[in-house]
Amino acid sequence: DTEVTQTPKHLVMGMTNKKSLKCEQHMGHRAMYWYKQKAKKPPELMFVYSYEKLSINESVPSRFSPECPNSSLLNLHLHALQPEDSALYLCASSLGGRGGYTFGSGTRLTVV
Amino acid sequence: KNQVEQSPQSLIILEGKNCTLQCNYTVSPFSNLRWYKQDTGRGPVSLTIMTFSENTKSNGRYTATLDADTKQSSLHITASQLSDSASYICVVAPSNTGKLIFGQGTTLQVKP
Repeated sequence: DTEVTQTPKHLVMGMTNKKSLKCEQHMGHRAMYWYKQKAKKPPELMFVYSYEKLSINESVPSRFSPECPNSSLLNLHLHALQPEDSALYLCASSLGGRGGYTFGSGTRLTVV
Repeated sequence: KNQVEQSPQSLIILEGKNCTLQCNYTVSPFSNLRWYKQDTGRGPVSLTIMTFSENTKSNGRYTATLDADTKQSSLHITASQLSDSASYICVVAPSNTGKLIFGQGTTLQVKP
């Protein structure tokens, strides 16, 4: 298995809703990442987990809450989002070093 | 400051023609340089990855070059197809952090 699987592919949520994005990989990668990407812009790093521990938080608002239950799973819990949080959310995983950096196909999030 | 600059910002070519995309970077210390293809609304897909000792790397009709002395890279697409229409992102990995440095991307449109 050489894929990073993200679910759901599309999500529409109200500003008072609570939802979660899920990411899964079975490549044995020990680093997992959440990125946010707005239209026509490059991905922006949000969080990095290394060996299931949060190693980087790029000053992301607390309405985004990451969780890494095990080495294969990464969740992003969403609560009280704003319309400007609408974007493509990408998960990625890596072995570290030279290669093995793989992106998922993303979750298109719309906040209404 | 670590930066990656790509040119042109956008490009339109006819099907069957070749094209070359450029990437200049100031990232230091350098670990590797990656080219990704990203279809609209989808996650980036890796095309090539090169370390400083590699000058050329091919993946089908895609050929990437790297000049570590001048800190320049190019991505050459041969015999373009309609399916090549996408954004192409140059990404540089520093060797001292786990944070990738993304270029702004080149949007390629291949017309019949």
